[in-house]
Order: sequence, then C-alpha cells, then structure tokens
Amino acid sequence: DQQVKQNSPSLSVQEGRISILNCDYTNSMFDYFLWYKKYPAEGPTFLISISSIKDKNEDGRFTVFLNKSAKHLSLHIVPSQPGDSAVYFCPETASGSRLTFGEGTQLTVNP
Amino acid sequence: EPEVTQTPSHQVTQMGQEVILRCVPISNHLYFYWYRQILGQKVEFLVSFYNNEISEKSEIFDDQFSVERPDGSNFTLKIRSTKLEDSAMYFCASSDGSSGNTIYFGEGSWLTVV
Repeated sequence: DQQVKQNSPSLSVQEGRISILNCDYTNSMFDYFLWYKKYPAEGPTFLISISSIKDKNEDGRFTVFLNKSAKHLSLHIVPSQPGDSAVYFCPETASGSRLTFGEGTQLTVNP
Repeated sequence: EPEVTQTPSHQVTQMGQEVILRCVPISNHLYFYWYRQILGQKVEFLVSFYNNEISEKSEIFDDQFSVERPDGSNFTLKIRSTKLEDSAMYFCASSDGSSGNTIYFGEGSWLTVV
C-alpha cells in the first residue's frame, strides 16, 4: 500500500500565481522527502528535498513545507511559469534504495 | 552540471532479440538504478546496484533482465529475449548514497519491441 499519496491528479493555475502541490504520508519514519517533476518522454528531474527534522526548505521559486503533525507535505511554486507545466511527484523513499513513484499531479500553468 | 547520460535514445527491436541499454552515471556516484515507464503508466523501479552487485530488484526484474558495470563508467541493462510488453521508456539513475537519497535520472531510452 502506498505510504505517500498525492490526492489531486491535476492542478491548473495562471502564470505568475502560486502553485501548491500536496502530498500526504502515513509512515513517520521517512528521513527525507523529495520532489521531482517530469516532462513527457523525459526522465524525472529532482527539484527539492526536505529533511524530516525541518519544516521548510526553499530554493529559488520552490519551497517545500513539511507538517509532521498532519503528515502533510506541500510544494509551493511562486511565481508559476508555463515551463513549470509537468507532472510532479513526491515519491516514497527508502534509505539507500528505491524511489516509489505514484501517479503524480499534472500541473498546467496557463499563460 | 553533472548528468546521467543514456544511449540509445530510441531503439526498435524485433521480439526475441537481445537489447543492451547503456548508461553513464554521474562520476562520483556509487548507487545505480534502472527504472522504466510503460506508456500511460507509472515510473516503476527495476533494480538497484551497489558495490558491483544487485542490492534490490523488483518483481519485474526477472531472469531475462541483467545489469552490469563492465568498467568504471558504464552501467548497462540487458534484456535477453525481448517481449512486446518490454516496450517502455527505460531510465537509468544514480545517487551518491548520502542523506536524502536524492537520485538523478537520465533522459531515458525508448525501447520499442515489434
């Protein structure tokens, strides 16, 4: 059973506005959470990570928030750009081993 | 910026033929992976490789699949006798195994079995 879930299959925002992508998790033992984006016919691209001991990590337009009490992870993209249109994943992580990808969330940024 | 490179970008093969997909991981990385994505489906883990041996493999990675690191730079995936259902995008990936387990993916090799 998936321990990290993205409940929204799609999100559409206007260029320049904020995109908020969400994940919920059940396993409190994850040490890190990762965000990837993927364009069609390309490999997943690492975006940003957050340690389980932190509640926020920022890198340019991308900020990840971790709410441990709610077991909730979110990625904020500000400002959103048309080139951000892609599928976003918060895969399950296992130390030293695999990532397990779910369905992801398709973000569409409209010009 | 260092990147994982894969060849070929696209290969068409006859069913039953052997295929070798090649990858050059990021140079200081120690962990290597193969994933695949069948059209319209999720990205799926196939195998991880560390210290010259398989460290983990999925149910998909059966006896027709093998991996090898023939030299200090290449990492290969061999499919011995391809089937139609092997048609997919195959992604090589690597990581340095540090905290965070950030894995970096290549652009993929699109395999079409006819």
